[in-house]
Amino acid sequence: GAVVSQHPSWVICKSGTSVKIECRSLDFQATTMFWYRQFPKQSLMLMATSNEGSKATYEQGVEKDKFLINHASLTLSTLTVTSAHPEDSSFYICSVRTSGRLAGNEQYFGPGTRLTVT
Amino acid sequence: KQEVTQIPAALSVPEGENLVLNCSFTDSAIYNLQWFRQDPGKGLTSLLLIQSSQREQTSGRLNASLDKSSGRSTLYIAASQPGDSATYLCAVSTSGSRLTFGEGTQLTVNP
Repeated sequence: GAVVSQHPSWVICKSGTSVKIECRSLDFQATTMFWYRQFPKQSLMLMATSNEGSKATYEQGVEKDKFLINHASLTLSTLTVTSAHPEDSSFYICSVRTSGRLAGNEQYFGPGTRLTVT
Repeated sequence: KQEVTQIPAALSVPEGENLVLNCSFTDSAIYNLQWFRQDPGKGLTSLLLIQSSQREQTSGRLNASLDKSSGRSTLYIAASQPGDSATYLCAVSTSGSRLTFGEGTQLTVNP
């Protein structure tokens, strides 16, 4: 399957600052990547769909001005949490959807980034 | 709106037992269903993918079935091992890309 990396794996930041999380598809060119958020003891919730070369599509209730997504290349998508607050503390996971060579529209997930806002 | 439910929420078994995890979904018009494993503090590992036209998939000691009409899937784990301890997540896709996840089943296999 596709290999997906995320950086950083964990980050602690002060309230009011911005944090950028990178998601890389290491062996697959992904026109579409997805960003999820997972709170403790809860399942994953889709935040947005990141499309290479165009604007991201955000899920209902997700503030696009707060969670900035950039998908500048076929192997890199970034999520920037702007003016972070403690309630933004969560586990952020990206995924890539395979198609074509790896048929089936299977999704492969990165290792996640643990964000703690103090 | 698609809703995915997993039962049980937690399961503890002795090593060597065969076990079944259940997943149900409300909208049967799915594109595919995927089972994942998540270890604490880690990302997701894809275990099995079942297309809507398929009834089951097997990988090693894992077997997943899909009954689309009744909105159910099961994950069967044979001869469980302590290394199988993790949270197992079921997710369905209704558009070929968007995944809706269940809450997961936390499995503990005791030596």
